[in-house]
Amino acid sequence: GAGVSQSPRYKVAKRGQDVALRCDPISGHVSLFWYQQALGQGPEFLTYFQNEAQLDKSGLPSDRFFAERPEGSVSTLKIQRTQQEDSAVYLCASSLETRGYEQYFGPGTRLTVT
Amino acid sequence: KQEVTQIPAALSVPEGENLVLNCSFTDSAIYNLQWFRQDPGKGLTSLLLIQSSQREQTSGRLNASLDKSSGRSTLYIAASQPGDSATYLCAVCGSQGNLIFGKGTKLSVKP
Repeated sequence: GAGVSQSPRYKVAKRGQDVALRCDPISGHVSLFWYQQALGQGPEFLTYFQNEAQLDKSGLPSDRFFAERPEGSVSTLKIQRTQQEDSAVYLCASSLETRGYEQYFGPGTRLTVT
Repeated sequence: KQEVTQIPAALSVPEGENLVLNCSFTDSAIYNLQWFRQDPGKGLTSLLLIQSSQREQTSGRLNASLDKSSGRSTLYIAASQPGDSATYLCAVCGSQGNLIFGKGTKLSVKP
């Protein structure tokens, strides 16, 4: 079946612009996670949804970052007033349930802020 | 705070060698541990998942072990091939459900 998809795959934004990154999880997966991966580093957790509820946003680096999953399927990660330090690959993962279930990752969105 | 460390950071081996990648974590209260492969410019591909109650998992030429009490996992790759060249990431799942990753081991297998 279809895996996790993300769009766009690449995004270039000028500093100060707002961006929106989309994640389509595997159908029927309850849990959805966003991670940020800087160059040469492992991914770092940003936020987590169980269905439409955002249960953990402790990893969001600032209040410029906002995520939603209004109908419990597609999720959008929005970054307002982008800064150069926001340049990274943003990865989305979904799992059937939480805590102990395998997470399946999308290809990521590479964001470059100039 | 959970910390995950992977050693070595990079490894270069000739084709056909057996090799071991190491992962250590500081908090043994984990739900599971996953090993991933990441190719340049690509997302993460799950290789093996070991639940906290398990000691090892095998898939083809890959074998992963878990010693929760000592906070260690190893990924064993048998008869390495050039196609195995990639970055290998270890991640533990904690009580909140999110994964905590190491920085990865970059593997290069020379023909």
